Amino acid sequence: ETGVTQTPRHLVMGMTNKKSLKCEQHLGHNAMYWYKQSAKKPLELMFVYSLEERVENNSVPSRFSPECPNSSHLFLHLHTLQPEDSALYLCASSQDAGPGELFFGEGSRLTVL
Amino acid sequence: GNSVTQMEGPVTLSEEAFLTINCTYTATGYPSLFWYVQYPGEGLQLLLKATKADDKGSNKGFEATYRKETTSFHLEKGSVQVSDSAVYFCALQKGSQGNLIFGKGTKLSVKP
Repeated sequence: ETGVTQTPRHLVMGMTNKKSLKCEQHLGHNAMYWYKQSAKKPLELMFVYSLEERVENNSVPSRFSPECPNSSHLFLHLHTLQPEDSALYLCASSQDAGPGELFFGEGSRLTVL
Repeated sequence: GNSVTQMEGPVTLSEEAFLTINCTYTATGYPSLFWYVQYPGEGLQLLLKATKADDKGSNKGFEATYRKETTSFHLEKGSVQVSDSAVYFCALQKGSQGNLIFGKGTKLSVKP
């Protein structure tokens, strides 16, 4: 139990669907992150939020839309995805943006048909 | 740019064998270096870290030494256990505000 909870753990969706991934952290951290983990590739940082404001967006396609309503919750809204978007999406938090120790959730396994 | 290169896996060892997972990095200056571990079905967890040259990080019997001269941070353990089976990620952070840059990960399987 890392203090970071992600739901759902598994999601299957068609290319025309709209779905959302949810992340909640119980650690009192100020920064939250979305990472994409694909087989045989390094983890890809997608978005960083610090104190509920987006501080980094690493050229992620607009079909991925993040939302951070408060410092404890982070969403990733998904629409019109492609099969190559199938991956494990990891949420993480840290005390502040930038420091080394990240606390990860267990991930949401996404399959796009 | 900054990058991390890890040895290709998977690595398969017998219980009590010696483990080395190689990690080299490319970065200017003095990044901080990390090893994260991902057990099956779980997210990544910090295993150990080193913030300056010649520092040794250690945890749970694992060690890694920050070698500036060889730009390396190899992970070692003297006697692995079945419970060490996981994917290990080397990572670097450039500066106090930089984000983590991860390697591709190395899968370790330990057989009884």
